[in-house]
Amino acid sequence: NAGVTQTPKFRVLKTGQSMTLLCAQDMNHEYMYWYRQDPGMGLRLIHYSVGEGTTAKGEVPDGYNVSRLKKQNFLLGLESAAPSQTSVYFCASSSRDFSSTDTQYFGPGTRLTVL
Amino acid sequence: KQEVTQIPAALSVPEGENLVLNCSFTDSAIYNLQWFRQDPGKGLTSLLLIQSSQREQTSGRLNASLDKSSGRSTLYIAASQPGDSATYLCAALYNFNKFYFGSGTKLNVKP
Repeated sequence: NAGVTQTPKFRVLKTGQSMTLLCAQDMNHEYMYWYRQDPGMGLRLIHYSVGEGTTAKGEVPDGYNVSRLKKQNFLLGLESAAPSQTSVYFCASSSRDFSSTDTQYFGPGTRLTVL
Repeated sequence: KQEVTQIPAALSVPEGENLVLNCSFTDSAIYNLQWFRQDPGKGLTSLLLIQSSQREQTSGRLNASLDKSSGRSTLYIAASQPGDSATYLCAALYNFNKFYFGSGTKLNVKP
């Protein structure tokens, strides 16, 4: 049981380049999330998904797109990277039932630098 | 707009000391409040979750309290150890799918 995994772990891009970050979870969770974390700040929600084939905008969605073609995968795309997107990106997943003691499970993060 | 604030931003204590980390939130209509631990270069690990109907949760040396009316939560760490050194984040859940995170308290426990 690997939990939540993210690929790649590190990446350096030039301004204007594109890339896709992959998140995979093996816990059969319905919900998946993409966050970014900047120095001295907490995590901010970029996009999220409440099930296969569905996505929705979070707090800071501009400049990013997402897709959830398979329940276990959630992709985050940057079509034209900008230096302001330099950050650490975290993926998370959770079950549907928030009335339990369940929580969000986080991946190890992807450190992205845009030059 | 929901905002979550953590004070202090950094804390350094000698080993064995009891300590309290603070978290405040502007909108009291939370679904739950969670405390996470983040080690350098790592992801987040959930420590404690307090449902909106609960007042506190305990796990080992950790105790988290929640006061919705005042918009505050505290994380109490008893008999701190060097292994407790990490950044502690609180997060308020306002509906079933959106967390708002504080900026964290970086804790250093000196041997």
